[in-house]
Amino acid sequence: GAVVSQHPSRVICKSGTSVKIECRSLDFQATTMFWYRQFPKQSLMLMATSNEGSKATYEQGVEKDKFLINHASLTLSTLTVTSAHPEDSSFYICSARELAGGPGDTQYFGPGTRLTVL
Amino acid sequence: GENVEQHPSTLSVQEGDSAVIKCTYSDSASNYFPWYKQELGKRPQLIIDIRSNVGEKKDQRIAVTLNKTAKHFSLHITETQPEDSAVYFCAAFPGDDYKLSFGAGTTVTVRA
Repeated sequence: GAVVSQHPSRVICKSGTSVKIECRSLDFQATTMFWYRQFPKQSLMLMATSNEGSKATYEQGVEKDKFLINHASLTLSTLTVTSAHPEDSSFYICSARELAGGPGDTQYFGPGTRLTVL
Repeated sequence: GENVEQHPSTLSVQEGDSAVIKCTYSDSASNYFPWYKQELGKRPQLIIDIRSNVGEKKDQRIAVTLNKTAKHFSLHITETQPEDSAVYFCAAFPGDDYKLSFGAGTTVTVRA
């Protein structure tokens, strides 16, 4: 099956610093990638949709200037958490959509990044 | 937008018994319904999916059924094993949207 990698797997940073998370589709091209946030014992919350070559689409309530997304190529999307604060501590997961040529293109998830802001 | 409800939130079963998780969706245009399994601290893994042109799909001990009229779909796990313990998420994909809508998740615990 399709493989999605994410780096780093875990990061601890001081409040006020910025953190960049990379999401890569390893064996397929993904014109669309998704960034989710997951708090303990909760479901996945979609933050934004990353489109290759265009601006990301953010969900309501997600600050564009705080969560910067860049989808520079068909296999790489990055999420930068700017000026991180303790409330940004969470599990961030990306997914990439493999185009199957039909409705409901399958999404494959990265292993996630555990962000802890001190 | 699509709204997916999932029940129960927790499910405890004896090893060897069956587990059933049910989801309902609101958008009749939804046409793709995947199920994901997530172990603690790990990524969601696609375990089975069903498209709107079929009513049932089975893969070994896992099966999914879809009732388009009632707008609900279910995951069935038979002969449960301890390694089936995880959080399971259902999702729906509306036909005119590009985003998956996830249910709240079901924590399944298989007692040995």
